Amino acid sequence: EVKLLESGGGLVQPGGSMRLSCAASGFTFTDFYMNWIRQPAGKAPEWLGFIRNKANGYTTEYNPSVKGRFTISRDNTQNMLYLQMNTLRAEDTATYYCARGSGAYYWGQGVMVTVSS
Amino acid sequence: DIQMTQSPSFLSASVGDRVTINCKASQNINKYLNWYQQKLGEAPKRLIYNTNSLQTGIPSRFSGSGSGTDYTLTISSLQPEDVATYFCQQYNSWPWTFGGGTKLELK
Repeated sequence: EVKLLESGGGLVQPGGSMRLSCAASGFTFTDFYMNWIRQPAGKAPEWLGFIRNKANGYTTEYNPSVKGRFTISRDNTQNMLYLQMNTLRAEDTATYYCARGSGAYYWGQGVMVTVSS
Repeated sequence: DIQMTQSPSFLSASVGDRVTINCKASQNINKYLNWYQQKLGEAPKRLIYNTNSLQTGIPSRFSGSGSGTDYTLTISSLQPEDVATYFCQQYNSWPWTFGGGTKLELK
């Protein structure tokens, strides 16, 4: 069974940093693209970026809205996906999801990030 | 970025009704379109990919159509469990973008 479990969310001050983690299980992690998608409360999701699979060299793509502030990485030995978020702003407040595959069929349950003083 | 505009934003319908949700892209997306269903407190769930391919396990009352810039999600006979917010999402051009959502409730 495919499982994705996000962690690391919470309250952070504007300008601060936070790292989210996503623990993956139930599939061969290195075979899949992995994504981060966020959703502010009551609004549409926003695709933040993705990291490609082994066959495609684990390269990354970022939404211009977060490029330069957010970094996606993966630890293929631990089946973990990460999102490092720097210089956080109030508008980064959202539920953050990891999702598997280029088509994002499987999603985690999400983790909330609140940026506020 | 490609803008995705959904209509209506809110829809009230009765059990058994045929429901149609529209999604318009700001440019041709070559049928690279997904539809998601999101129930309260849950992650979005993909219903349809490539405009009209039904995800495994999704009831056949859901269907998708369209081409170019105009796409449609149809529920042929609304059921109580279909109460949710529906999003379209394009993957023709990075960054992938979502429509603003259609909230569907029972009348």
